[in-house]
This record gives sequence, C-alpha cells and structure tokens, in this order.
Amino acid sequence: EPEVTQTPSHQVTQMGQEVILRCVPISNHLYFYWYRQILGQKVEFLVSFYNNEISEKSEIFDDQFSVERPDGSNFTLKIRSTKLEDSAMYFCASSEGGASDTEAFFGQGTRLTVV
Amino acid sequence: AQSVTQLDSQVPVFEEAPVELRCNYSSSVSVYLFWYVQYPNQGLQLLLKYLSGSTLVKGINGFEAEFNKSQTSFHLRKPSVHISDTAEYFCAVLRGYQKVTFGTGTKLQVIP
Repeated sequence: EPEVTQTPSHQVTQMGQEVILRCVPISNHLYFYWYRQILGQKVEFLVSFYNNEISEKSEIFDDQFSVERPDGSNFTLKIRSTKLEDSAMYFCASSEGGASDTEAFFGQGTRLTVV
Repeated sequence: AQSVTQLDSQVPVFEEAPVELRCNYSSSVSVYLFWYVQYPNQGLQLLLKYLSGSTLVKGINGFEAEFNKSQTSFHLRKPSVHISDTAEYFCAVLRGYQKVTFGTGTKLQVIP
C-alpha cells in the first residue's frame, strides 16, 4: 500500500540552526500538508501546498518556515533559525485532490528536538 | 468554518469494558469525518472514516463510529477494550481540498 514517508524520524538540532524536514508524498497526490504536534498538545495545521505554491497557511507558519517541492517526489519543510519552542513532532500528509478527495494520508512524523 | 470538539481529554476504562469517545463537529457544509489513533511515540494512524452512506462505520481493531447528523456527532465506540488500545485518539474533519482539522485528542487509558 502506498504511504507517505518522512525522514529523519528524529532530528536534534541546536537553537538557531536551520533544519530541513523531508517528506515523500504518495506519488499521484497533488496536495501536500505539514502539521505540528507539540508534546502533549493537539495536532496543528501549518501549511498546505498545491501546484507549487502555498494554498493556505496558519498563523504558526511565519517567516521562519518555508516549504518546497524541489523535485517530483520530495516535499520539504525548512525552519530557518530554530527556537526551543519549535521542538515538536512534525507530520507530513498528502491527498489526491479533485472532487473525490476524501482523505489525507499522514507520514509517521519527524520528532524535532531543539536544544 | 469547521471545528471539532472532543469533550473528554482523558478516559480511563477497565480492560474488557466498553468505551465511547465523544466527538462533535461544526460545519456549514458536508464534511468527511475521521478518527485517528496515535500510540505512544508513534505517528497518526487512520482508524476509520465516514464519507457517506451508512452512518455506522467500522474500522480497524474492533472500533466503530456512528455519524449522527442531527446531533453533529461522530462518537467512537468499542464494545470491549484491550490494554493495547491505550493511546490517544483524534477526531478530525476534512472538507474537499481543505486542511484536516483535528480535535484536541482523547487519551484512552485501559486499566488492567
């Protein structure tokens, strides 16, 4: 069964460093998403991406964050200068798009720890 | 706008007892409804989803949920829980191309 894959599963980085989280969405999907879950809190929407541009973003997704689809398979989330409060589990998701779009498929997540 | 409310943040239940995790949604249009499970230190796994048709939806691991349009609810149930069901459960809604919106989660603690 096709799945969304995320790498790495766990990333530790120093405060102020740049970090890139990588995702490979399901191959025929057109919509891509990033979500964040701070430890003990709810899963929060960060950004959605379609047709090589951001279609929606939340107030969390400030100028420190950016997303990119550098090639035909990867979808990345970059955090330019990490802060302690960026420590969280980051989930990538993708969906087919179109009138029959009924489900977003989630990856297993990348746990980011900022020290 | 759409939102999801999970009234119970934690639900303790004895092993082999039945459980119901509550979820209410608000939306001005039709939505698709989901329950996800997150086991400790793991990602999100889809338990079940309601798209249309029969209001009783069966999912994995013996879980089921009932869509109730008049009460705008989508409660998750299991007739007999197991220790391995200990996890956090998230109700979610999706409308068309828009983002999945999650509830705040309910931690199910199964007591031996």
